[in-house]
Amino acid sequence: DAKTTQPNSMESNEEEPVHLPCNHSTISGTDYIHWYRQLPSQGPEYVIHGLTSNVNNRMASLAIAEDRKSSTLILHRATLRDAAVYYCILRWGDGQNFVFGPGTRLSVLP
Amino acid sequence: EAQVTQNPRYLITVTGKKLTVTCSQNMNHEYMSWYRQDPGLGLRQIYYSMNVEVTDKGDVPEGYKVSRKEKRNFPLILESPSPNQTSLYFCASTDRLNTEAFFGQGTRLTVV
Repeated sequence: DAKTTQPNSMESNEEEPVHLPCNHSTISGTDYIHWYRQLPSQGPEYVIHGLTSNVNNRMASLAIAEDRKSSTLILHRATLRDAAVYYCILRWGDGQNFVFGPGTRLSVLP
Repeated sequence: EAQVTQNPRYLITVTGKKLTVTCSQNMNHEYMSWYRQDPGLGLRQIYYSMNVEVTDKGDVPEGYKVSRKEKRNFPLILESPSPNQTSLYFCASTDRLNTEAFFGQGTRLTVV
């Protein structure tokens, strides 16, 4: 199984950009890279996903390395509401198996 | 509004008393799954279903049952709950392999 590695925690100041890294050196060609986040006392929430090209949506941007062995979730201007655990997940196989690692706990300082 | 609804949100029960946690989605999704979340262990998949009458075990299926008799509902059944099933449970649904998954708000279960 392809796995991901993320830092346990990161800190950011409010209104500054945040770059959350994820390593997935054993990624296969058909694995999509997904990011979810979990705010306190809530279920995981979809953030963004991509395969090879960089992706942007209203929440964030996803930068994928050319060799696909790593990716970076970019929050362009962190707010206090962005404080959450962020999960980088590879989606694979013919089922519905999200494999959640411990994620990165992001703290946003006012 | 697209959503996954779990009930109940909170439940305290006694060992051995059968219970069912319901999960319903309004998006006509094919795929549904159940997870449990425990401190230090993260989210682990219990069971998943790829369509009506098609279910399969996830990583931690022991002590749980599921059924998928209709597309919108995917109940989680604990026939004989034990204290080690005290946890926070999440249901999720998605329409295809690599699109956005929607998670419910969670059910906090305590078995005493």
